[in-house]
Amino acid sequence: IAGITQAPTSQILAAGRRMTLRCTQDMRHNAMYWYRQDLGLGLRLIHYSNTAGTTGKGEVPDGYSVSRANTDDFPLTLASAVPSQTSVYFCASSPGGSSYNEQFFGPGTRLTVL
Amino acid sequence: GQNIDQPTEMTATEGAIVQINCTYQTSGFNGLFWYQQHAGEAPTFLSYNVLDGLEEKGRFSSFLSRSKGYSYLLLKELQMKDSASYLCAVIDSNYQLIWGAGTKLIIKP
Repeated sequence: IAGITQAPTSQILAAGRRMTLRCTQDMRHNAMYWYRQDLGLGLRLIHYSNTAGTTGKGEVPDGYSVSRANTDDFPLTLASAVPSQTSVYFCASSPGGSSYNEQFFGPGTRLTVL
Repeated sequence: GQNIDQPTEMTATEGAIVQINCTYQTSGFNGLFWYQQHAGEAPTFLSYNVLDGLEEKGRFSSFLSRSKGYSYLLLKELQMKDSASYLCAVIDSNYQLIWGAGTKLIIKP
């Protein structure tokens, strides 16, 4: 693995289903983030983690949950998907827990909820 | 509320110079980023400004005026590969990153 990876690349999901988006980084970065990107809107932060074992809520956390059991992995779970969660999801990481650090982004997951 | 404004779309000619503006109204300011995002790809870091003035990095330069709540990204000697969206993002007083919607730059031959 080089950098930050996400899986799946894309997914079509029926409303009401549970879904976990995976994110793994091999850069030993402390901080990780989940964003959603919708047409005409800026990236919106869903959840973040400044270090393994801690998580925090971003701008749009409702309907999503995260965990950070170790440094490398930061999965995002949709407990019961709804059509408004159709979006492109980006995972990102940065070396420290400070916003001053450049963020490195994964390739994204395109999710469609029907 | 917090707000970052960028033009939605700009068009420029290959070999020319283009300036992409970003104005912000945020609760505090602790720095400003510019990222580049090609269609269907992830954003990638271009520049970071925290003090007033111009930061130059090859063909790309970024300017900041904190008193005016204003930044611009200057791209020189435009190439077709510069066709992308350019995202402005500000660190607010809570050290959260607030993102603009991005400017789609179209380069014509």
